[in-house]
Amino acid sequence: QKEVEQNSGPLSVPEGAIASLNCTYSDRGSQSFFWYRQYSGKSPELIMFIYSNGDKEDGRFTAQLNKASQYVSLLIRDSQPSDSATYLCAVNRGDSNYQLIWGAGTKLIIKP
Amino acid sequence: DGGITQSPKYLFRKEGQNVTLSCEQNLNHDAMYWYRQDPGQGLRLIYYSQIVNDFQKGDIAEGYSVSREKKESFPLTVTSAQKNPTAFYLCASSMLGETQYFGPGTRLLVL
Repeated sequence: QKEVEQNSGPLSVPEGAIASLNCTYSDRGSQSFFWYRQYSGKSPELIMFIYSNGDKEDGRFTAQLNKASQYVSLLIRDSQPSDSATYLCAVNRGDSNYQLIWGAGTKLIIKP
Repeated sequence: DGGITQSPKYLFRKEGQNVTLSCEQNLNHDAMYWYRQDPGQGLRLIYYSQIVNDFQKGDIAEGYSVSREKKESFPLTVTSAQKNPTAFYLCASSMLGETQYFGPGTRLLVL
């Protein structure tokens, strides 16, 4: 059974600090990695995707990928109360470009 | 406006009833997906379709059926065989092998 693991949280971070969200995956064939944000009662929205080892930055968000350790993370700099949400990690199945394996998500709370 | 629409927002099902959830996209995406989300769990794939008139089962297809008669539309029927249908149902679409984008979801409740 291919799996994606995330700490369910809640992760509480003061406003203005860096929030660090982590995700591990078991399928060594996975090549595409995604972070989605989901507000309560709403559908997931894409924040970032990453395909190559290393860091990828987009505004206040940085995704980090380490395929050798099967580990992907999301850093949120200058955290804002509006960043409070559940963050879902998804990776593609190694034998399929179309199917994603989803983590259960980490609930992030930014305290003013 | 380009996007993915799902209707209804809320749906109530009686015992033994089949219900159909609508999903439409005008993004010209080839692939469409149906997921189920339960509290505290990751999204689970029900069905997906890469091309018109073709679809494949996901991890939890039992008790569900789909059709893909048009590129823009991928309706999901929750049959009476699905004994625990209460969940948040999410439709997504993508170009083949690319990022998936989601509709607003349908919340299904059992009366």
